[in-house]
Amino acid sequence: QVQLVQSGAEVKKPGASVKVSCTASGYTFTTYAIHWVRQAPGQRLEWMGWINTVNGNTKYSQKFQGRVTISRDTSASTAYMELSSLTSEDTAVYYCARYSSVPLDDWGQGTLVTVSS
Amino acid sequence: EIVMTQTPLSLSVTPGQPASISCKSSQSLLQSGRKTYLYWYLQKPGQPPQLLIYEVSNRFSGVPDRFSGSGSGTDFTLKISRVEAEDVGVYYCMQSIELPFTFGPGTKVDIK
Repeated sequence: QVQLVQSGAEVKKPGASVKVSCTASGYTFTTYAIHWVRQAPGQRLEWMGWINTVNGNTKYSQKFQGRVTISRDTSASTAYMELSSLTSEDTAVYYCARYSSVPLDDWGQGTLVTVSS
Repeated sequence: EIVMTQTPLSLSVTPGQPASISCKSSQSLLQSGRKTYLYWYLQKPGQPPQLLIYEVSNRFSGVPDRFSGSGSGTDFTLKISRVEAEDVGVYYCMQSIELPFTFGPGTKVDIK
């Protein structure tokens, strides 16, 4: 069955960067796009951006433009989300999700990123 | 960006009773007379969100038929005909007619 498995929890200092991976299985990785969504404590879900897994084209939320980079390695069926210049407000659970014929039909388990000095 | 609002923000329901959640968008989610890009997700405690309803009223694979969606334009409703214990969690509506996708604040449903 379809699985999106994300990398483990991270603790980072303010100003650092974090890179989260999302490895897909159970389907052909390049068939569908991957989106990234985050959820800060007590906050609503927040869409960050997406990647076309075929050609690597990306679109980002304006809120994160300049700080986020989404990439992929098709040979590893893996997408990545890197967020730089971290502040405490970036403490959140980060999810990857697949966009098949409908948006966000399968999600990774989530990766907790804690930003603390 | 499109702003999504939901009411109520919390709901306590007796098992077997119905529940209803409203979602409103700041602009129409109908694209040129074609699809309406409104979705419902349920996030159970400690889990990622899961898709329940797509394009207003279509149940996703495996979703029980006690869940139904309706609405048009900017006003939408998710109904649970008879709430069960496994339905607890936070329900989110989401729009995907334009980027950035945006979510409602969530409606927390628990059992009385």
